[in-house]
Parts: sequence; C-alpha cells; structure tokens
Amino acid sequence: GQQVMQIPQYQHVQEGEDFTTYCNSSTTLSNIQWYKQRPGGHPVFLIQLVKSGEVKKQKRLTFQFGEAKKNSSLHITATQTTDVGTYFCAGPNTGFQKLVFGTGTRLLVSP
Amino acid sequence: EAGVAQSPRYKIIEKRQSVAFWCNPISGHATLYWYQQILGQGPKLLIQFQNNGVVDDSQLPKDRFSAERLKGVDSTLKIQPAKLEDSAVYLCASSLMGGSSYEQYFGPGTRLTVT
Repeated sequence: GQQVMQIPQYQHVQEGEDFTTYCNSSTTLSNIQWYKQRPGGHPVFLIQLVKSGEVKKQKRLTFQFGEAKKNSSLHITATQTTDVGTYFCAGPNTGFQKLVFGTGTRLLVSP
Repeated sequence: EAGVAQSPRYKIIEKRQSVAFWCNPISGHATLYWYQQILGQGPKLLIQFQNNGVVDDSQLPKDRFSAERLKGVDSTLKIQPAKLEDSAVYLCASSLMGGSSYEQYFGPGTRLTVT
C-alpha cells in the first residue's frame, strides 16, 4: 500500500535555530496537507499544497511541494518554543478518498 | 464555531472488556472519520463516513471494532472485546466533504488504556 515517510523522526534544536522536515511518498500525490500536533493535543491543519513546485509561507513556516509531486518539506526559520510538537504530512491514497498520514517528525525546542 | 466534541477523554479498561466512544462533528460537516493513533505514530484511519454511509473501513478490525453514524451527525465507535494492543488515542475528525482535498478538523481524542 501507499507509504508516506518523514525524516527525521525527531529533532532537538536550540531556540532561534532553523528546522526542516521532509516528507516522501511512494506514489505521486495530487495534493499534500500538513498538520501540527502539540504534545498531548490533537492534529491541527496547517496548509495544503496542490501545484507542482508550489511554495507557500506562513510567517516563519515555509512549505514546498516537489516538482514531481512525490515529496514535500516544511522549513521553520528561527524556531521558538511554541513550535514544539509533531509535524505530520498527509497525502491522498490511490483512490483519493482518504488521507494517509506520514510517520511524523517530533520537534523539541530548548530555550 | 464549535469544534469536534469527543467523550470520554480518558478510559481505562481491562482486556476482554468493551468500550464505546462518542463523537459529535462540526455542524454541517458531511464526512466523519475515526482514527487510531498509537504513541509515536501518525493517525491511522479506521473508518470514514459520508453522511451516514461508510466510505472506507478497510483498516477497521471488524471482528472487534464497530462504528455507526445513524442519523448522519454524531457517531459511536465500539471495541468488544478489547485487547492490550488497542491502547491508543482514538481521534474523531470531520470535514465539510469527503475526499483528500478537504481540511480535517480533529477532536481532542479519547485516550484508551487496556490493562
């Protein structure tokens, strides 16, 4: 079945450092979504990318969709302690009926 | 706008017991999802409803799990009998419509511990 892998699994940074997580799919994706889950919380939608090579920014967060639409990345500039959590990418399955969530990247930010 | 409501928030049961979870989605959302999230993993879809019909239940262990959304609004997920490996957070989510291009809104989840 379809697999959505993320690397790294875990990253610990000092506040102010940059952070990037990468998402790779075994199949071409029509779109990709990103979610953030705070410790003890539930996933919260961040953004959706649809076009090949698309880049979207939300303040310090930059999201990119690969040219081949099989990978995506999330980059956080100058991390803050509020960025702590697990970041998931999610892409559609072959039939486009449901989302398949990635393995997640857990970010820890030390002050 | 009220979010997705779930209850209970926590549940501890012994193996072989039964348990039920309840979810009330955002008003007007046609699609409702139940996910299982094991510690350290991403959410895994158990079942997806479009109104009161099942769209996908391919990963639902049907010998012990059941779910219903009788009036196309709120939903219940039941486990009977529970196994140790069912210990997880059960998340309910809803979206305006089905398909993978719609943003999903998640509830706070129910943390189940099976001892």
